[in-house]
Amino acid sequence: GQQVMQIPQYQHVQEGEDFTTYCNSSTTLSNIQWYKQRPGGHPVFLIQLVKSGEVKKQKRLTFQFGEAKKNSSLHITATQTTDVGTYFCAASLWEGGGNQFYFGTGTSLTVIP
Amino acid sequence: ETGVTQTPRHLVMGMTNKKSLKCEQHLGHNAMYWYKQSAKKPLELMFVYNFKEQTENNSVPSRFSPECPNSSHLFLHLHTLQPEDSALYLCASSQDRRVIYNSPLHFGNGTRLTVT
Repeated sequence: GQQVMQIPQYQHVQEGEDFTTYCNSSTTLSNIQWYKQRPGGHPVFLIQLVKSGEVKKQKRLTFQFGEAKKNSSLHITATQTTDVGTYFCAASLWEGGGNQFYFGTGTSLTVIP
Repeated sequence: ETGVTQTPRHLVMGMTNKKSLKCEQHLGHNAMYWYKQSAKKPLELMFVYNFKEQTENNSVPSRFSPECPNSSHLFLHLHTLQPEDSALYLCASSQDRRVIYNSPLHFGNGTRLTVT
């Protein structure tokens, strides 16, 4: 079954509004990574979170890892048209005696000028 | 970012054809991957190579055959594909996952494959 659930699947926002995407798992995660894929492009690594409760910022982007290490979020403040794309979380979890890596389904962000 | 190069960018093939996808990385990484990206589905891991050795094969049909002659090059040989195999095929590389299991992936631009 799907190990990593990501919501929402789609989000349309007016330019200047905030945006948040969530990544959830029923299993404790070793770490989580976030990627951005522009339309017609390929996924590009944004950041990695490892510690429980960790918060990292990149300009207008804020990444959080839950205290229980089962969920994560990406928040964009005051969206711009350059933020358009699909945001994926990718979670690493200990399974079957090894580290397994799963991508979420992604959240497609549209920013209306 | 040109660290991972994939060719061709687009490929149309019939179900009886044989073709190959090529991936080359210039990042000094030791792990390489093939992913399949279909609409409305998560990225699906197909194969993983670490130091030229295949370490994962996620129940991929035998009509997909990977080849990794060295740590910088990765191929995906295709034969007798089905229309449902049409997708974006992404190559990625990372540092040695035995040492750094959570090493970020660096993706190529992908090959958009259409099977007719």
